[in-house]
Amino acid sequence: SQQGEEDPQALSIQEGENATMNCSYKTSINNLQWYRQNSGRGLVHLILIRSNEREKHSGRLRVTLDTSKKSSSLLITASRAADTASYFCATKGGGNKLTFGTGTQLKVEL
Amino acid sequence: DVKVTQSSRYLVKRTGEKVFLECVQDMDHENMFWYRQDPGLGLRLIYFSYDVKMKEKGDIPEGYSVSREKKERFSLILESASTNQTSMYLCASSTPLGTSGLNEQFFGPGTRLTVL
Repeated sequence: SQQGEEDPQALSIQEGENATMNCSYKTSINNLQWYRQNSGRGLVHLILIRSNEREKHSGRLRVTLDTSKKSSSLLITASRAADTASYFCATKGGGNKLTFGTGTQLKVEL
Repeated sequence: DVKVTQSSRYLVKRTGEKVFLECVQDMDHENMFWYRQDPGLGLRLIYFSYDVKMKEKGDIPEGYSVSREKKERFSLILESASTNQTSMYLCASSTPLGTSGLNEQFFGPGTRLTVL
C-alpha cells in the first residue's frame, strides 16, 4: 500500500475559498513533501517540511505535520482557478526513494 | 532553473516492440528516477539511479530496464512492450540524500505511452 495517502480524493471549491487536503503515512519519516500536478504534466515541488517542524508557510500555502498522528495537511488560502490541479504528498519509503500517495484532485471554480 | 526533459510527450508503439524513453537533466543531479502514473494508483517507482552506471529497482521493475551511461541522461527501456505498459511515464532528478532525508525532486513533463 502507499506510504502516503491523501484525503479527500477530490475536492471542489469556489474561487476565494480555502482548500485543505490531508495526508496520512505509515512509517517514521525524515521529511514530508507536497507536490502539484497540472493535468497531463509533470509534478512540481511545492514545499518540504522536516520531521522536527510542525508548521511551514510558503505564500498562500500552509503545511502542518503531526508526527504523533503520522499525518500532514496542506492548506491553500484564497484559492484561484489556477490552483486547479492534483496534489500529492510524498515521504521517504524504504531505501533512497520517495513514495507518493494517490493524490487529491482539486477543482477551483470561478 | 532546473530543467528535466523527456524525449517525447506522446508515443504509440506496438506490442512486442522495444521502446526507449529518454530523460535528460541539466542540473548535474546525482539521483534520477523513473515513475509510471496510472489513474487511481498514483506514482509508482520503476527504477532509480544514484550515480553513473548505478541503478536500483523500484517497486515495479518487471518488464523494464534502465541505462545511465552519463550523469545527465537516464533511459528507460521496455524490452518487449505490452498493452499493460500503457501509461504516463515521468522522469525526475534530485540532489543526493541530505541530512533531512531525500531532497525535492524535479520532474520532466511526462511521456504518455500507448501500446497497441
